[in-house]
Amino acid sequence: DAGVIQSPRHEVTEMGQEVTLRCKPISGHNSLFWYRQTMMRGLELLIYFNNNVPIDDSGMPEDRFSAKMPNASFSTLKIQPSEPRDSAVYFCASSNPGQGLETQYFGPGTRLLVL
Amino acid sequence: GESVGLHLPTLSVQEGDNSIINCAYSNSASDYFIWYKQESGKGPQFIIDIRSNMDKRQGQRVTVLLNKTVKHLSLQIAATQPGDSAVYFCAEILRDGYALNFGKGTSLLVTP
Repeated sequence: DAGVIQSPRHEVTEMGQEVTLRCKPISGHNSLFWYRQTMMRGLELLIYFNNNVPIDDSGMPEDRFSAKMPNASFSTLKIQPSEPRDSAVYFCASSNPGQGLETQYFGPGTRLLVL
Repeated sequence: GESVGLHLPTLSVQEGDNSIINCAYSNSASDYFIWYKQESGKGPQFIIDIRSNMDKRQGQRVTVLLNKTVKHLSLQIAATQPGDSAVYFCAEILRDGYALNFGKGTSLLVTP
């Protein structure tokens, strides 16, 4: 089975540029989560979608971050403008309602470096 | 300037020995706990979970123990193998919640 798919796997950009991260959840999963992982703060939840609707975006750092889920099979996380402190690994995860909301399956992550 | 990173606790075990990784949580309202394994360059991978109405659950070579009295969770890995080398995270979810609250992680190093 294909797991959660994220692209790109690596992104290097310059400060001020727009960055778009993409995620395809596991087919049939109706919940999608974006996380950020840094050495300083560990894994942090940024935003959570259920049935394509954002339920909780309280973890989004600031207005420079935005996320969308136009359909059940695709989500984006956008940073505009990017800053060096945004450098981190960004994970997307999805969950299957049949297994219970809590069992989240993670993608391989996007490693973002903002210079 | 010098950056200060998060230094993960590290557990070093010999191949074939049993490993025990510990985790403390603070919220008595936590209802569900999960252990994840994260290998270098990969996303967290689900290992095993346990509900708050249980105190023990076993999987293949892994056992999770939950002590609600002292708010402590442990992951036991039997006959540890080199492929078990990774960072292990415990995560909790509050009752009626959805967000995983991850611990800081423990790095497990298996030596031959």
